[in-house]
Amino acid sequence: GQQVMQIPQYQHVQEGEDFTTYCNSSTTLSNIQWYKQRPGGHPVFLIQLVKSGEVKKQKRLTFQFGEAKKNSSLHITATQTTDVGTYFCAGMSSGAGSYQLTFGKGTKLSVIP
Amino acid sequence: NAGVTQTPKFQVLKTGQSMTLQCAQDMNHNSMYWYRQDPGMGLRLIYYSASEGTTDKGEVPNGYNVSRLNKREFSLRLESAAPSQTSVYFCASSEAGLQETQYFGPGTRLLVL
Repeated sequence: GQQVMQIPQYQHVQEGEDFTTYCNSSTTLSNIQWYKQRPGGHPVFLIQLVKSGEVKKQKRLTFQFGEAKKNSSLHITATQTTDVGTYFCAGMSSGAGSYQLTFGKGTKLSVIP
Repeated sequence: NAGVTQTPKFQVLKTGQSMTLQCAQDMNHNSMYWYRQDPGMGLRLIYYSASEGTTDKGEVPNGYNVSRLNKREFSLRLESAAPSQTSVYFCASSEAGLQETQYFGPGTRLLVL
């Protein structure tokens, strides 16, 4: 079945440093979604990427979808303590009229003030 | 709007006991989902309901049953709880299917002794 690998599992950064998490799928995706989960909270949708090579920005967050639609990344510039949490990618594949959404295991970000 | 609500927030069960986790959404969404989240495992789909009156198995359905009571409500039942079902359970909804943004509830923390 479809597998979505996410690295790194953990990342500790000093406040102000940049942060990147990577997501790789074993199969070609129709789209990829990114979610953020604060400690003790629930996942919150950040963005969806659909097109090959797509790049989207949300303030200090930059999301990329690979040309082959098998990988994606989330980059945070100049991290802040409010960025603390676990970031999940979720890869969508489709076929025979059905959809499958597979979550990566997440990257837990700690920001040291 | 409350969004997605879940009850209870916490539950402790003994092995073999049964219980039902309740979920409701007030966003008039067609699709609803149940996930479990275990440390280091990300989110795994248990069951989903693409629309009122339909339910389908996800990645890890064994030991669970679901009921889509109406468009608003989607319940998850554990008939005979096992320690392996200790987890955090999240309900989610989307407008129409997995390819749409999912909105998550606050979660139910379940401990099975």
